[in-house]
Amino acid sequence: NAGVTQTPKFQVLKTGQSMTLQCAQDMNHEYMSWYRQDPGMGLRLIHYSVGAGITDQGEVPNGYNVSRSTTEDFPLRLLSAAPSQTSVYFCASSYGVFSDTQYFGPGTRLTVL
Amino acid sequence: AQSVTQLGSHVSVSEGALVLLRCNYSSSVPPYLFWYVQYPNQGLQLLLKYTTGATLVKGINGFEAEFKKSETSFHLTKPSAHMSDAAEYFCAVSQPTGRRALTFGSGTRLQVQP
Repeated sequence: NAGVTQTPKFQVLKTGQSMTLQCAQDMNHEYMSWYRQDPGMGLRLIHYSVGAGITDQGEVPNGYNVSRSTTEDFPLRLLSAAPSQTSVYFCASSYGVFSDTQYFGPGTRLTVL
Repeated sequence: AQSVTQLGSHVSVSEGALVLLRCNYSSSVPPYLFWYVQYPNQGLQLLLKYTTGATLVKGINGFEAEFKKSETSFHLTKPSAHMSDAAEYFCAVSQPTGRRALTFGSGTRLQVQP
């Protein structure tokens, strides 16, 4: 099993550009989520999904969109990048609810100029 | 609402010394509690978790944590630090009902001196 994979590993954007961060898992997990990690702030939940076709907002959803068309994939879209979105983004998945062990991807380091 | 406070953003210990990383939580109901570890340039991985049952929880790499409801704490300990323990450690809380999303603390970076 590859586990949770994320692409790209690094990305530099200009303000106003759009892009999609990819996340895939091969463990047949129902729950997937996106976090951003900023220095001194831990990880904050952006969006999550409890299954294909079902998504919900987390703590910091503004400026981000998600969709879940398959169990395996959960892409995160930045519609119009802003410098405040400079961060490290982690995708995670779990078999059941958040009480279950979350498996994290290696992260995407995004810089918005 | 739930929240997590990790006391000390940086902790330094000598190799072989006791490791103690502090975590206090706030939750309106008995929570689920987690410790995750992040090695440099990697994602997070679960060290241990408490959901129900025994309040002393043992995890990987010799770490353990004790859920103390009266103190709203879930401190992480290891009797003898190893150089390979140098990493950032995150305490997290979720609730057994409702949306159950994880809330993370701000993290504690552990440095192990030779």
